[in-house]
Amino acid sequence: AQTVTQSQPEMSVQEAETVTLSCTYDTSESDYYLFWYKQPPSRQMILVIRQEAYKQQNATENRFSVNFQKAAKSFSLKISDSQLGDAAMYFCAYRSGTGFQKLVFGTGTRLLVSP
Amino acid sequence: DGGITQSPKYLFRKEGQNVTLSCEQNLNHDAMYWYRQDPGQGLRLIYYSQIVNDFQKGDIAEGYSVSREKKESFPLTVTSAQKNPTAFYLCASSTWTGNYEQYFGPGTRLTVT
Repeated sequence: AQTVTQSQPEMSVQEAETVTLSCTYDTSESDYYLFWYKQPPSRQMILVIRQEAYKQQNATENRFSVNFQKAAKSFSLKISDSQLGDAAMYFCAYRSGTGFQKLVFGTGTRLLVSP
Repeated sequence: DGGITQSPKYLFRKEGQNVTLSCEQNLNHDAMYWYRQDPGQGLRLIYYSQIVNDFQKGDIAEGYSVSREKKESFPLTVTSAQKNPTAFYLCASSTWTGNYEQYFGPGTRLTVT
């Protein structure tokens, strides 16, 4: 079974600085997708960024980018120019590319942003 | 606007009572999902449905039941058999082909005392 590990329960960053959230996963599959979801205090889950395993190029979405290391099974999220609105729980998630597309979530990293 | 609605936002029940959480989507998605979130844990899958009148158990289905009579609706019933029902419940939906991205509702906080 696939597992997703987020080893940082909490991270802090100052406004305008850059922070990196870590995620590792375990799978024997070659076809899969990886996601970062943001859960602000409202608790609505919001998709931040998605990476297809077959793509070598790292995904980017504005200030958010990933460092996808397939061989190391690592999928970190970099937030540049951090803003107060980035404060939230961030969840890394895995989905198989075949069969039923169940999302497997990590336990989350709480990001604190200070002025 | 397209999206997923869950009601109510907060729900309180006495132990031993069944309670039904509502989930409606107007995204024309085929698949719908129910997740449970507990403090310090990620989301865990309770049930999912690929099409109307069909659904499957997820990882923690015991003590829960669902129905899928309409494409837009996927209500979750938390039964008295669920040992620890107090949690935050999230509903999601997705297409079954192509993108597969799951869209989430705002969630329902259930407190059972």
